[in-house]
Amino acid sequence: GQSLEQPSEVTAVEGAIVQINCTYQTSGFYGLSWYQQHDGGAPTFLSYNALDGLEETGRFSSFLSRSDSYGYLLLQELQMKDSASYFCAYRDGGKLIFGQGTELSVKP
Amino acid sequence: DAGVIQSPRHEVTEMGQEVTLRCKPISGHNSLFWYRQTMMRGLELLIYFNNNVPIDDSGMPEDRFSAKMPNASFSTLKIQPSEPRDSAVYFCASSPGLASSYNEQFFGPGTRLTVL
Repeated sequence: GQSLEQPSEVTAVEGAIVQINCTYQTSGFYGLSWYQQHDGGAPTFLSYNALDGLEETGRFSSFLSRSDSYGYLLLQELQMKDSASYFCAYRDGGKLIFGQGTELSVKP
Repeated sequence: DAGVIQSPRHEVTEMGQEVTLRCKPISGHNSLFWYRQTMMRGLELLIYFNNNVPIDDSGMPEDRFSAKMPNASFSTLKIQPSEPRDSAVYFCASSPGLASSYNEQFFGPGTRLTVL
């Protein structure tokens, strides 16, 4: 079958580093994307990994291991504004399949 | 660019009424997606269009739901008749539609639908 699994909640303190994991199961794989959604807002694109390895964009990095069907989003120097839900997603043909999301709470 | 535009932003209606949600994608984007988000079911794809043609409507829950895209700059999602379980936030998203950009979609602000 096809599925994505990610933790439902993660809590961290301001200034820390947090990692949000995502495992997937799909017959065809074209890469893993990450989206951020603040409460009441629209999901916004953060990053995309087509190949194995680490992609860095400022404080955010995303990693992919296709052999392990696993990826993660790494957030460094956490800020209060990073409190949001984070979704991993993979492409299935012309559409994206989203995980259930991880709610990140950043505490002072 | 103004981004993806959705209207209305909020809709409260009574069970049995017809509801029409509207979306204007980003100019030049060839793919348009309708999603529904609830706490229980997360972010679900309902239907998507490529060059105004419906490609995959397997996520449309039942015949009460229909979607159209009469031209490249406008799409509607209609629920008739509406039921309380349809209460959710409905997002429209668009993307350039190129293979290299399938993974980045641009979401509108959503329509929060409440069916009483």
